[in-house]
Amino acid sequence: GIQVEQSPPDLILQEGANSTLRCNFSDSVNNLQWFHQNPWGQLINLFYIPSGTKQNGRLSATTVATERYSLLYISSSQTTDSGVYFCAPAWDSNYQLIWGAGTKLIIKP
Amino acid sequence: EAQVTQNPRYLITVTGKKLTVTCSQNMNHEYMSWYRQDPGLGLRQIYYSMNVEVTDKGDVPEGYKVSRKEKRNFPLILESPSPNQTSLYFCASSPQVEETQYFGPGTRLLVL
Repeated sequence: GIQVEQSPPDLILQEGANSTLRCNFSDSVNNLQWFHQNPWGQLINLFYIPSGTKQNGRLSATTVATERYSLLYISSSQTTDSGVYFCAPAWDSNYQLIWGAGTKLIIKP
Repeated sequence: EAQVTQNPRYLITVTGKKLTVTCSQNMNHEYMSWYRQDPGLGLRQIYYSMNVEVTDKGDVPEGYKVSRKEKRNFPLILESPSPNQTSLYFCASSPQVEETQYFGPGTRLLVL
């Protein structure tokens, strides 16, 4: 099945900094999603982005499907951006999302 | 507001005492699923439902039951909970399978 690798695994930044999170995948995809799990455990869908670029406030995402990667950009980080960011690039044959291991982001005040 | 709701949010129970975690969505979504999340193991799917009256097993269905009698509701039933079912549980829905998935707030379950 498809392999998913997220990098970096951990990232610690000061408030106000910018960051780029990467998701590499081993096969073609057509429904990549980015999620944020906050420190209280809630999972929020950030982007559905099988290709191209989308922006939502300080967050944006780009997927280059032909090169098998997606990037999540966070600008002017705030402490509320802390948490784990998951990439889920595809569904398997049992109709389950395939998840990356996540990038744990800590934003220090 | 479009959302997926779960209840209860937190639950402490004892081994063998049947419990139900409710899940409801108000977005008219066809597809719903249940996940459990454990440290080091990530999110694993328990059961999913493509539509009303259609349910199927995910990766870790043992010890769980589900039903989908109405489109909006997808309860998770633990007939005889055991300590290894202590976990964080999420319900999710999407318009159709393989579309954007929306998650409920999660249910933290502790089985003593």
